[in-house]
Amino acid sequence: DVKVTQSSRYLVKRTGEKVFLECVQDMDHENMFWYRQDPGLGLRLIYFSYDVKMKEKGDIPEGYSVSREKKERFSLILESASTNQTSMYLCASSLGGRAGETQYFGPGTRLLVL
Amino acid sequence: RKEVEQDPGPFNVPEGATVAFNCTYSNSASQSFFWYRQDCRKEPKLLMSVYSSGNEDGRFTAQLNRASQYISLLIRDSKLSDSATYLCVVNRRGNEKLTFGTGTRLTIIP
Repeated sequence: DVKVTQSSRYLVKRTGEKVFLECVQDMDHENMFWYRQDPGLGLRLIYFSYDVKMKEKGDIPEGYSVSREKKERFSLILESASTNQTSMYLCASSLGGRAGETQYFGPGTRLLVL
Repeated sequence: RKEVEQDPGPFNVPEGATVAFNCTYSNSASQSFFWYRQDCRKEPKLLMSVYSSGNEDGRFTAQLNRASQYISLLIRDSKLSDSATYLCVVNRRGNEKLTFGTGTRLTIIP
């Protein structure tokens, strides 16, 4: 079974803090993704990565950056957290090499920015 | 127009009934289609892929209509455990990114 883990289930941070969200997958997947999920808006893609040290912007990259130094790990960074970044953050991975293949999700991190 | 549109519901259905919902997509070049299920406060999980010829997995049947650009999910003999949000998912222009609908909430009533 694919396992995607995220470093925290719940986080509370203050406005202006730098926030790191970590995601690790154990199935040697090529692709990794970061989404945020908000009521009425569904899942929106923030950033994704096709390979180590490679990243591409998704639909809403503003205020975020990512890092992929190792194949199994994909980090999302909020450089200066703001209250509008309060959300559920979901990491996903997929095998890679084929269009539109299944993505496997981690359990999510609920972030509250005060 | 949204890339993927779903009726948000909620659909409140008695146990044992049949329920169906549709999803429309705007990009005619889309190639891969899925239904994901998301339980309350949990992550989305793949329910089933949707194939051109339609496919069935137990009580669940998925259909694709390319001409009208919609996919459907039919659940027969619904169980209490089917209560969840069902996300319609479509790939974008043949690449590896997926577009998620906002979901249809289903509650099965005893």
